[in-house]
Amino acid sequence: DVKVTQSSRYLVKRTGEKVFLECVQDMDHENMFWYRQDPGLGLRLIYFSYDVKMKEKGDIPEGYSVSREKKERFSLILESASTNQTSMYLCASSQGTGTGGVGANVLTFGAGSRLTVL
Amino acid sequence: AQSVTQLGSHVSVSEGALVLLRCNYSSSVPPYLFWYVQYPNQGLQLLLKYTSAATLVKGINGFEAEFKKSETSFHLTKPSAHMSDAAEYFCAVKPPLGGGYQKVTFGTGTKLQVIP
Repeated sequence: DVKVTQSSRYLVKRTGEKVFLECVQDMDHENMFWYRQDPGLGLRLIYFSYDVKMKEKGDIPEGYSVSREKKERFSLILESASTNQTSMYLCASSQGTGTGGVGANVLTFGAGSRLTVL
Repeated sequence: AQSVTQLGSHVSVSEGALVLLRCNYSSSVPPYLFWYVQYPNQGLQLLLKYTSAATLVKGINGFEAEFKKSETSFHLTKPSAHMSDAAEYFCAVKPPLGGGYQKVTFGTGTKLQVIP
């Protein structure tokens, strides 16, 4: 069974702390994504990566950075956490667009990491 | 630019009743369309997808959706609701395949409540 695994389901951090959210996929997917989910706002794309060491900004990158040193791992970093970053964070992966076909369009999600910043 | 509108942030139906969740899209070209479902405390999972092969798409758990170009709609239906259908449902749109990465845009979600 294919999987996207997020290392932490629940985190509580203090304002100003550095926060790492880790995501690992076992499907050899080229693309990986970090979304933020808030009630009434749906999913908003923070960053994505289409290859190792490559990253692209999504719709709301401010206050976040990412790292992709290995194909299977994509990390989201909050350099200095703030209360307005309290949210559910979802990692997802998909096949690369170069493969063509429907599979290139389907996202596989992790279970999410609920972050509370006090 | 593409966008998705889901009408109704909360929908309640009785067990056994028809489920209808509405989704309208805006796109300059016929897009790919998806419905994802999120059960409590879980990530999203694919329910069904439209990729221009057929306008009526069948998904998992008895759900289906019909692509109507003239109405720019992709409403999700199920003839008879089950208690296990209680979840949040997201409609999503993506441009067809082309050069480079193309972004998936999600709607704001509809929470389905099933009343016994």
